[in-house]
Amino acid sequence: GQSLEQPSEVTAVEGAIVQINCTYQTSGFYGLSWYQQHDGGAPTFLSYNALDGLEETGRFSSFLSRSDSYGYLLLQELQMKDSASYFCAVLNMDTGRRALTFGSGTRLQVQP
Amino acid sequence: ETGVTQSPTHLIKTRGQQVTLRCSSQSGHNTVSWYQQALGQGPQFIFQYYREEENGRGNFPPRFSGLQFPNYSSELNVNALELDDSALYLCAGSSGRAQDTQYFGPGTRLTVL
Repeated sequence: GQSLEQPSEVTAVEGAIVQINCTYQTSGFYGLSWYQQHDGGAPTFLSYNALDGLEETGRFSSFLSRSDSYGYLLLQELQMKDSASYFCAVLNMDTGRRALTFGSGTRLQVQP
Repeated sequence: ETGVTQSPTHLIKTRGQQVTLRCSSQSGHNTVSWYQQALGQGPQFIFQYYREEENGRGNFPPRFSGLQFPNYSSELNVNALELDDSALYLCAGSSGRAQDTQYFGPGTRLTVL
């Protein structure tokens, strides 16, 4: 089977840095993605890692260690608008199944 | 803006009925995936279509079926609705089969009474 684990909730203050961890167990692993979803909205793509290392996109960075089946999303200079749910998702490329498997999400609350 | 639209926005059905949800993606999105998202959970993969053929399926029964059309639109059909089918249904467009970036529509909120 496939499973992803991430914390259910994280709270941080404006301007701070927060790291959301994700561990996964899956076959046919191809890459790890991160999506942001505001209440009532659609998931929005943030980043994708297929290789080990850090990918930086503005205030957001994502890291992957394939050997540890682990990744994280790093959010810097937090803003109130960053309050949302963040999902890690594994891209599987098993035969007959090419899709994203999502974790249950981490609800980030940014406080003033 | 992801270029993906869905209709209707909200829908209320009763148990046993059938429903069709629609998705329209932008040019270049030759792959469409459908997801079911229960409240407080992550999206769960239903199935995927690539060039109008099913290209992978999650753990959903056959009463969940779909179609993809040449104009980048797609349908999700659910027969014999059950109460547990109440959820947000999301479609996502992407280019090619690699799927590393998916562009989600705003979703259809289905309530089954």
